[in-house]
Amino acid sequence: DSGVTQTPKHLITATGQRVTLRCSPRSGDLSVYWYQQSLDQGLQFLIQYYNGEERAKGNILERFSAQQFPDLHSELNLSSLELGDSALYFCASSVERGGGLDEQFFGPGTRLTVL
Amino acid sequence: GQQVMQIPQYQHVQEGEDFTTYCNSSTTLSNIQWYKQRPGGHPVFLIQLVKSGEVKKQKRLTFQFGEAKKNSSLHITATQTTDVGTYFCAGGGNTGKLIFGQGTTLQVKP
Repeated sequence: DSGVTQTPKHLITATGQRVTLRCSPRSGDLSVYWYQQSLDQGLQFLIQYYNGEERAKGNILERFSAQQFPDLHSELNLSSLELGDSALYFCASSVERGGGLDEQFFGPGTRLTVL
Repeated sequence: GQQVMQIPQYQHVQEGEDFTTYCNSSTTLSNIQWYKQRPGGHPVFLIQLVKSGEVKKQKRLTFQFGEAKKNSSLHITATQTTDVGTYFCAGGGNTGKLIFGQGTTLQVKP
């Protein structure tokens, strides 16, 4: 158990819909990262937040957005869903502000299926 | 932009055989991390290498960081069925974020 929690575990929805994925980082971790993992794909970095502020952006679509709240939990919002958005979405957290030097602790993931 | 390539994509070995996965970056890295993801699980941090030419060992696992800090390898000696999973390298560069390779999925036949 990494100490990172994600809800829900599974999500099935239809094209065009909007969903929200939630992540609670490990106690004391200020950075939260979101990744997308599709079949036969590696981990695609989406976005990082540090202490409530956006710190780094990856290949995140304009239909996707995220935020980190004062209690440090984070939400990833996916809208106008397409079939290709079906994937495993991981949240990770780390102690420091990132820069690629921090060990990241991954949550169990949310499996999103778009029908 | 920065890319991290990992080979091979898949590897099937007989239990007891050795296994190596290679990671190559298009740019010089500040550091490299390795993660293992068991089937149905989430990535778990294994190790971080920072120095040029660095070699670190964890029991049967040996990690190397190239002299030019553009490549890395993970070698497992005498694989066991518990080694099954996908191994990811992740490179840190001047972008301030980790770039993950595509991963190498290891299958071990008992």
